[in-house]
Amino acid sequence: DAGVIQSPRHEVTEMGQEVTLRCKPISGHNSLFWYRQTMMRGLELLIYFNNNVPIDDSGMPEDRFSAKMPNASFSTLKIQPSEPRDSAVYFCASSPGPENNEQFFGPGTRLTVL
Amino acid sequence: GEDVEQSLFLSVREGDSSVINCTYTDSSSTYLYWYKQEPGAGLQLLTYIFSNMDMKQDQRLTVLLNKKDKHLSLRIADTQTGDSAIYFCAEKSSGYALNFGKGTSLLVTP
Repeated sequence: DAGVIQSPRHEVTEMGQEVTLRCKPISGHNSLFWYRQTMMRGLELLIYFNNNVPIDDSGMPEDRFSAKMPNASFSTLKIQPSEPRDSAVYFCASSPGPENNEQFFGPGTRLTVL
Repeated sequence: GEDVEQSLFLSVREGDSSVINCTYTDSSSTYLYWYKQEPGAGLQLLTYIFSNMDMKQDQRLTVLLNKKDKHLSLRIADTQTGDSAIYFCAEKSSGYALNFGKGTSLLVTP
């Protein structure tokens, strides 16, 4: 199993540009999570999908952030327009189901907004 | 939200035991986790413990849980240089959400 796949691994962009981060969960996993990691705030849950449906997006910072899961094998996190304070590492994680105790993390996307 | 606290840094000599500590405030936590993050990588689940247990051992790893004091520890026996990483404590009270600490950086010196 390839594990959770994220792309790109690194992204450098200028303020105001649109950024799209991609995630492929582990095959057969029904739950998908997007996290953001910063030095100041640590790991924060942004949004959680179950069976492709957003269940909890209360962690999404503001309207500039949006996430979709059009099918069981793909999810995107979009930032439009991006700002320097969005610079962070964004992790995608998947789990077999909402009550399963294990979340498997991807390698992350390091985003730098100049 | 509820707090999960960890010390930021720990340094040990190769071959010694490492003990990483964590405290949490949510008394309804059902599962407690230890994740490892190596440089440039994602988080790897090391082990987790159900709240009605007080100890779990897995090879070189021993997890101790004091539910009364809301204290969790991870002991790594015979620490190796490859154990150098950031270790995250996390708790889950219900459903799906994990609440993470800020991580403890473990440095293992030869």
